[in-house]
Amino acid sequence: GAVVSQHPSRVICKSGTSVKIECRSLDFQATTMFWYRQFPKQSLMLMATSNEGSKATYEQGVEKDKFLINHASLTLSTLTVTSAHPEDSSFYICSAQQGEVGYTFGSGTRLTVV
Amino acid sequence: GQNIDQPTEMTATEGAIVQINCTYQTSGFNGLFWYQQHAGEAPTFLSYNVLDGLEEKGRFSSFLSRSKGYSYLLLKELQMKDSASYLCAVWDSNYQLIWGAGTKLIIKP
Repeated sequence: GAVVSQHPSRVICKSGTSVKIECRSLDFQATTMFWYRQFPKQSLMLMATSNEGSKATYEQGVEKDKFLINHASLTLSTLTVTSAHPEDSSFYICSAQQGEVGYTFGSGTRLTVV
Repeated sequence: GQNIDQPTEMTATEGAIVQINCTYQTSGFNGLFWYQQHAGEAPTFLSYNVLDGLEEKGRFSSFLSRSKGYSYLLLKELQMKDSASYLCAVWDSNYQLIWGAGTKLIIKP
């Protein structure tokens, strides 16, 4: 089946630094990828939709200058959390649409900013 | 606004059957998904319904009634490993995924 590889699975960084999270579709081409964040005991919240070769579409309230998304190829999208702060600590998950229906999710990245 | 409702938490006994309900009000409808999410992990796809009726996949079945804006996920022969959160999500008219808050299912021996 379709696999989306997300890396790293866990990262701890210092406040003020930047962190890059990669999301790769391993055996299919993903024109569109989605980035979510999830706070403890809450639902997934869509942050942005990443389209290959064009600018990402951000949801209302998501700072595009803080959460930089790059979708340079049909198999790779990256999310960079710039100047991270403790409130950015969260679980970040990417997903790619696979086929006509269904989404394949990456394994998620737990970001802790100290 | 767009809204998806599902119970916050349910408890069931190992070996039993449990039904998790989901009601939705969205701007358009292009399908409904159920996902399973274990604590600390990404969601995994369980089912997709776009037409009314029941879809069966082994121990899991999903039902949809578009006229009622209602779906349920039915889990049979419950196992301890089924303890997880179950997320209902709807594709609206723009193919945006609208997520429910999830139902935490607790299985007791």
